[in-house]
Amino acid sequence: GAVVSQHPSWVICKSGTSVKIECRSLDFQATTMFWYRQFPKQSLMLMATSNEGSKATYEQGVEKDKFLINHASLTLSTLTVTSAHPEDSSFYICSALTSGALGSSYNEQFFGPGTRLTVL
Amino acid sequence: AQKVTQAQTEISVVEKEDVTLDCVYETRDTTYYLFWYKQPPSGELVFLIRRNSFDEQNEISGRYSWNFQKSTSSFNFTITASQVVDSAVYFCALSEGLSGYALNFGKGTSLLVTP
Repeated sequence: GAVVSQHPSWVICKSGTSVKIECRSLDFQATTMFWYRQFPKQSLMLMATSNEGSKATYEQGVEKDKFLINHASLTLSTLTVTSAHPEDSSFYICSALTSGALGSSYNEQFFGPGTRLTVL
Repeated sequence: AQKVTQAQTEISVVEKEDVTLDCVYETRDTTYYLFWYKQPPSGELVFLIRRNSFDEQNEISGRYSWNFQKSTSSFNFTITASQVVDSAVYFCALSEGLSGYALNFGKGTSLLVTP
C-alpha cells in the first residue's frame, strides 16, 4: 500500500516554543490530508482538513492561529504548533488521501505513524 | 453527537479465547464506509478492514471476522483463538458520504490477551 511518513516521530519542547510536524506521502500525490490529535487513552479527533494550494479547514474548537497548517505541495503538509503549552502535549497523526490513482475508485486514506509531542 | 459507539472500554481474555468487539454507528447518509483499525502500543494505526454501506456481506480474514448488520447499525469484530499479539486498542470508524472524507472514530476498545 501507499506510505505516509511523519517527521519527527517524537519531540520534546519547552513551553512557548513552536514545533513543526511534517506529513509526507512518499509514493503518491495527495491533494487532501487530514490532521488528527489523540490524547492519552482517548480517541482520534479530527483537527483539520488540509487541501493543497488552499487554506485548511479547521474543526470546531481548534484554534487556527495556534495550529498552522500549510499544504504547499501534493506530497507535503505541515502542522505548526505555535507557542506550545503543556496542554498541547498529544499524539498527532496525519493521513493522506489518494485520488483513486492507485487503481481504485475509492479515495483511500493512509495514516502516518504519528508524532508524539511533549511540551514541558 | 457520537457517531460511533464502542461501549466496551477494556476487555481482558486469556489466550485462545474468542472475543468480539462491538461497534454501533449512527448516520443519516445512505452511502458510508465503516472501518476497523488496530493501534498497538507504538501508536501507529494498522488498517484492518473497510466496508461500504451497500455491502453487508460478512468477511473473514484468518482469525478475524466482521459482522455488518445495517438493521442494528452494528459492525462487530471477532477475533477467534486470540493471541497475545492481538493485545492493542481497536478503533471502529465511520466515514460518511462518498470516499474522500475524514473518519469519525469511536473511543476504542483496549484488548488485553494474557497467556
